[in-house]
Amino acid sequence: QQQVKQSPQSLIVQKGGIPIINCAYENTAFDYFPWYQQFPGKGPALLIAIRPDVSEKKEGRFTISFNKSAKQFSLHIMDSQPGDSATYFCAPARGASKIIFGSGTRLSIRP
Amino acid sequence: NAGVTQTPKFRVLKTGQSMTLLCAQDMNHEYMYWYRQDPGMGLRLIHYSVGEGTTAKGEVPDGYNVSRLKKQNFLLGLESAAPSQTSVYFCASSYKGNTEAFFGQGTRLTVV
Repeated sequence: QQQVKQSPQSLIVQKGGIPIINCAYENTAFDYFPWYQQFPGKGPALLIAIRPDVSEKKEGRFTISFNKSAKQFSLHIMDSQPGDSATYFCAPARGASKIIFGSGTRLSIRP
Repeated sequence: NAGVTQTPKFRVLKTGQSMTLLCAQDMNHEYMYWYRQDPGMGLRLIHYSVGEGTTAKGEVPDGYNVSRLKKQNFLLGLESAAPSQTSVYFCASSYKGNTEAFFGQGTRLTVV
């Protein structure tokens, strides 16, 4: 039960808009819900993560919304900037498991 | 702090040649992973390790072998390289499965 479905595959948003990326999972044992950000030529890096005891977490312009009953979580980017253009991955996990990444969302923020 | 270091950064192999990619981490992490990233395919797990002396298969293990003789090092081997193994390879480490994963800078491998 490691299936992870991420959407959309790609997204183009005007500067200042609010892109939303979604991640749906199957395994109800997951207890860590992160989003990673990857710039071209670099390895992914943790952007923001949430534990299942809260429904929302905000760090600067980035917000995770978590819906336990629907088995999905989302990344919202407020006041998006061209520098946010990157590929984003979700990777829900539990303590003793391997880390499987979603298929990725290529985000482009137009000036 | 070095974090996760991959060696080499670039390599060109001929079909049938062998090579070993080295990953080293200085964070005392238990878990280490090898992923490959192809255009439009995201990150796919090749092999992983949950501690020194352990290894396990990921999503796409065929054609690769790994070893974790020391806690800080995780080696990925290609015994007989094929053009289908042309990819960017990333190593990562984490304390546990449900903690932040730290990635290396990647190894761009081309098999001709």
